[in-house]
Amino acid sequence: GQNIDQPTEMTATEGAIVQINCTYQTSGFNGLFWYQQHAGEAPTFLSYNVLDGLEEKGRFSSFLSRSKGYSYLLLKELQMKDSASYLCAVRDSNYQLIWGAGTKLIIKP
Amino acid sequence: GAVVSQHPSWVICKSGTSVKIECRSLDFQATTMFWYRQFPKQSLMLMATSNEGSKATYEQGVEKDKFLINHASLTLSTLTVTSAHPEDSSFYICSARNLAGVEQYFGPGTRLTVT
Repeated sequence: GQNIDQPTEMTATEGAIVQINCTYQTSGFNGLFWYQQHAGEAPTFLSYNVLDGLEEKGRFSSFLSRSKGYSYLLLKELQMKDSASYLCAVRDSNYQLIWGAGTKLIIKP
Repeated sequence: GAVVSQHPSWVICKSGTSVKIECRSLDFQATTMFWYRQFPKQSLMLMATSNEGSKATYEQGVEKDKFLINHASLTLSTLTVTSAHPEDSSFYICSARNLAGVEQYFGPGTRLTVT
């Protein structure tokens, strides 16, 4: 079966760095996405990785290792507004998005 | 970025009635639209995928006669929840993708409460 694992919840301090991991087992791979979702709102796109390596976009970076079925989202200089759920999703061989359950990130002052 | 709108943003209806939710792509042609449902503290669950002009493809366990999806144009898809019951209360989110697109653009979601 297809499976995406990410931690349920993480806590970090304002101004610090946090890494959210995602491991996946899917039938085929056509890219990995990270989305941010604030409570009661729809997800918003953060990053897309299809090749191995690090993609940097401002305070957010995303890393992919296809051979290990592994990705992480790195958030730097954390702000209170970064408190949200972070969803990892993989596009499989049928171009369907397979979603992880999300990681709830709590930022403390 | 591309904009997707949903209407209404929230709706309360009585058990047994039907509710229609609209999803529009405002600045691009959405050849494919997706409908998701999300229960509190749970991940997104794909309900169905629709391509413009074609019948929707429903995920296993989703009743196509209860959740009617119409994707009649490249900018509009509708989801009708028929004979709604309290267990249908949820957050319904649509997303859209154009023909060459990699990313899915999400609408703001519709919160449905069935009393």
